[in-house]
Amino acid sequence: DIVMTQSPDSLAVSLGERATINCKSSQTILYSSNNKDCLNWYQQKPGQPPKLLIYWASIRESGVPDRFSGSGSGTDFTLTISSLQAEDVAVYYCQQYYNTPRTFGQGTKVEIK
Amino acid sequence: QVQLQESGPGLVKPSETLSLTCTVSGGSFSPYFWSWVRQPPGKGLEWIGYIFSNGNTNYNPSFESRVTISQDTSKNQFSLKVSSVTAADTAVYYCARDRGGAIEYWGQGTLVTVSS
Repeated sequence: DIVMTQSPDSLAVSLGERATINCKSSQTILYSSNNKDCLNWYQQKPGQPPKLLIYWASIRESGVPDRFSGSGSGTDFTLTISSLQAEDVAVYYCQQYYNTPRTFGQGTKVEIK
Repeated sequence: QVQLQESGPGLVKPSETLSLTCTVSGGSFSPYFWSWVRQPPGKGLEWIGYIFSNGNTNYNPSFESRVTISQDTSKNQFSLKVSSVTAADTAVYYCARDRGGAIEYWGQGTLVTVSS
C-alpha cells in the first residue's frame, strides 16, 4: 500500500494569514499517461462528510475558493490556504489514487490562532 | 444535484454481518466508481472499496475478504456487507461517488456501532 504522511498534525494560523499543509507519499504517484500526480485534497468540517477541494494535485474543484491551491509532484505535495478564513477551520486530508487501495493521510487539523 | 443516502442498522453484534445500502438520486449510475469509506470516531478516513457501474469490484485487502459490495442499478442502489465484525469496525460509514480517483459526492454518513 502507498503510505500518505501529512505534516503537521495540527496548526493554528491567524485570520488572513497563510496555512500550509504537507503530504508525502511513500512512492511516486505520477500517472505517466498524462504526467499528472494522482493526489486529492479534502476538507472535513465537524459532523460533515469530506469535501473535495483539489484533484490531480493542483486542479481546484468547481466552486472551491481560489485561496485554496495545491502544488507539488512526485512524492511531495502541499495544500496552501493563502488567507485563512474562519470557515476554513477543518481537518484536511490528502489521498492518492495512483493505485488501490486508495489511501489517505492521517489528517491535519487547522485552527484559528 | 447528486445525492447519496446511507441506510441500515446502527447497531450490530460482534461476529455478525454489517449491512448498509446507499441510495443514489439526481444523477446517472454510470460510469462511476460507487465507493464506501469509513471513519472510526475521532480518527481518519479508510477506503473500503468500490463497485464500478459495470459490476467490477475492488476491495481494500486489509479487510481480508470480509467485504462485499454489490449494486442494484434498477433501484439506483449499491450495498456494503462486512462480515465477522468486531468493535474495531465501529465507525461512520460513508457511501460516495468516485469519478475515477476523486470522490466528488458523499453521503452524510451513518454511525455503525459494534456491541453486544
